[in-house]
Amino acid sequence: EIVMTQSPATLSVSPGERATLSCRASQNIRSSLAWYQQKPGQAPRLLIYGASTRAAGAPARFSGSGSGTEFTLTISSLQSEDFAVYYCQQYSDWPLFGQGTKLEIK
Amino acid sequence: QVHLVQSGPEVRKPGASVKISCKASGNTFTGYYMNWVRQAPGHGLEWMGRINPSGSSTSYAQNFQGRVTMTRDTSTSTVFIEVHNLGSEDTAVYFCATKGGLDGTNYWGYWGQGTLVTVSS
Repeated sequence: EIVMTQSPATLSVSPGERATLSCRASQNIRSSLAWYQQKPGQAPRLLIYGASTRAAGAPARFSGSGSGTEFTLTISSLQSEDFAVYYCQQYSDWPLFGQGTKLEIK
Repeated sequence: QVHLVQSGPEVRKPGASVKISCKASGNTFTGYYMNWVRQAPGHGLEWMGRINPSGSSTSYAQNFQGRVTMTRDTSTSTVFIEVHNLGSEDTAVYFCATKGGLDGTNYWGYWGQGTLVTVSS
């Protein structure tokens, strides 16, 4: 079974700065990785699929990279609305999420 | 565009069952795989399973096999999930989600608003 591990669990960043979130798969998932943003009381929002393709409506400051087992979500210049929890999800096999990274204001 | 609207919150006693609905509007509902994802309070996201466009085939995550039933009514563009033999660990928000396309690729751009199920004696 594939295991998805996100790091760090919590990331403190100041508005306007860059944030880098990591996701590791326990085995090769090629580019079958999605990133979601979730705010309290809301459903997740798809940001990235195919490891690096921005979903419709996702701001250009969000970018994804990686393939195989190591993946990164980068937010180039944090806006106030970006502070949320971010999940990676593999779909190479039956879907599985990472445990999430909470992005908080420093 | 696809819009998913779920049924309202539910409260059940341990050992009971609950059935939640998710009604779709917008583009061709009959072409969509529909998934269910749950989130326990303060926890992450857990995929429960999915149902194919015709409703003839379901796939359940191992943790839920034998305890979850997914069905769909194409005439009303509605999918259902029923969870049996509820325990306190089933207290969670349940989401329906779909990619919105005709393939079964498992990432999802369209989500329902979530349904809170509370299991309490």
